[in-house]
Amino acid sequence: EAGVAQSPRYKIIEKRQSVAFWCNPISGHATLYWYQQILGQGPKLLIQFQNNGVVDDSQLPKDRFSAERLKGVDSTLKIQPAKLEDSAVYLCASSLGEDGHLHFGNGTRLTVT
Amino acid sequence: SQQGEEDPQALSIQEGENATMNCSYKTSINNLQWYRQNSGRGLVHLILIRSNEREKHSGRLRVTLDTSKKSSSLLITASRAADTASYFCALSGSARQLTFGSGTQLTVLP
Repeated sequence: EAGVAQSPRYKIIEKRQSVAFWCNPISGHATLYWYQQILGQGPKLLIQFQNNGVVDDSQLPKDRFSAERLKGVDSTLKIQPAKLEDSAVYLCASSLGEDGHLHFGNGTRLTVT
Repeated sequence: SQQGEEDPQALSIQEGENATMNCSYKTSINNLQWYRQNSGRGLVHLILIRSNEREKHSGRLRVTLDTSKKSSSLLITASRAADTASYFCALSGSARQLTFGSGTQLTVLP
């Protein structure tokens, strides 16, 4: 099966600019996750979707981050405006159900200068 | 949501030796999962162990879970240079979220 696809692979922007990341999960996976991984740390959940509904976005900085999953398939994560501390790898993952294991994409490495 | 704590933070061993990593947590869980992350890549699922299970095996991997001590261990036997990676435990609790610890960086020297 095809894995989780993410783009772009790398992105460099200046602070206060906006950026968007795209994710296409494994076909048939109802649950989609966005994680933020700062260098040297474990992934931190930003938002979890079940189909096209939000299950948990308690750790999403909603003043600058937004995410959507239209039609319950692919998803976009946007940051506007970006701050220096947003420099991280943004990982998308999907799973069949909420208790299953996650399949991760290779992530988008964001550098904010 | 809770987070597991891995120990040690870093581990360096010779090829052929066994590697053991530990994960401790504080509240009840539904399951505990272990993932591997190679440099510059996404995480790869290794093993899922449910709260009513005590031990699982997969190839050279052995995972144990002690819910009374709230701890889990991952054993990699006969390690290879290709096992060099970061290893994370992830906890699935009542909220069905999956939260990750900060990981153990394993280096296997040839």
